[in-house]
Amino acid sequence: EVQVVESGGGLVQPGGSLRLSCAASGFTFSSYWMSWVRQAPGKGLEWVANIKQDGSEKYYVDSVKGRFTISRDNAKNSLYLQMNSLRAEDTAVYYCARDWVAAADCWGQGTLVTVSS
Amino acid sequence: QSVLTQPPSVSAAPGQKVTISCSGSSSNIGNNYVSWYQQFPGTAPKLLIYENNKRPSGIPDRFSGSKSGTSATLGITGLQTGDEADYYCGTWDSSLSAGVFGGGTKLTVL
Repeated sequence: EVQVVESGGGLVQPGGSLRLSCAASGFTFSSYWMSWVRQAPGKGLEWVANIKQDGSEKYYVDSVKGRFTISRDNAKNSLYLQMNSLRAEDTAVYYCARDWVAAADCWGQGTLVTVSS
Repeated sequence: QSVLTQPPSVSAAPGQKVTISCSGSSSNIGNNYVSWYQQFPGTAPKLLIYENNKRPSGIPDRFSGSKSGTSATLGITGLQTGDEADYYCGTWDSSLSAGVFGGGTKLTVL
């Protein structure tokens, strides 16, 4: 079964850091672009970042550039999102998603990040 | 303010047809594939349509997608109460070098 499972969310103070992980299984992880998408409470979807199969290309939404870093370890079938200088507006459920033919065809259940003092 | 514009809500009766629009620009919809997602409260989004008008395996043909110029449309026929959900369009924006989503449309089946 094709599956991605996020972990690492939690409560963090403004200015703090958090690292999200996404464990992939059931498919050849190294063959796919991967993305992070977030959803603030009661709001819509917001694309955050994506990364090429070999990690050579990475793209970010403007609001996280310079603060968030997407990375992957193909040997461990894992995707990561390092989040620094967190702000209240970063509070959201963060989803890991597999990119396939310009769409996200496999999503995890999400992990909640709450930025609050 | 989302880069892609969707109506906040649409409604129709069971058995009827509804369409959800998604408006963008030449840097996104106009030159990139559009995908559509269905999301029920408290759950992850699910891919309904990719490459403008293709359905993944397991998605019923009641769901359809189309694109014309800088706009895209999701159509749902034979509406069922179980179709009540939020629907999002998404694509790549070549000017932003970023993925973009519409603000979402809440479908109510009256």
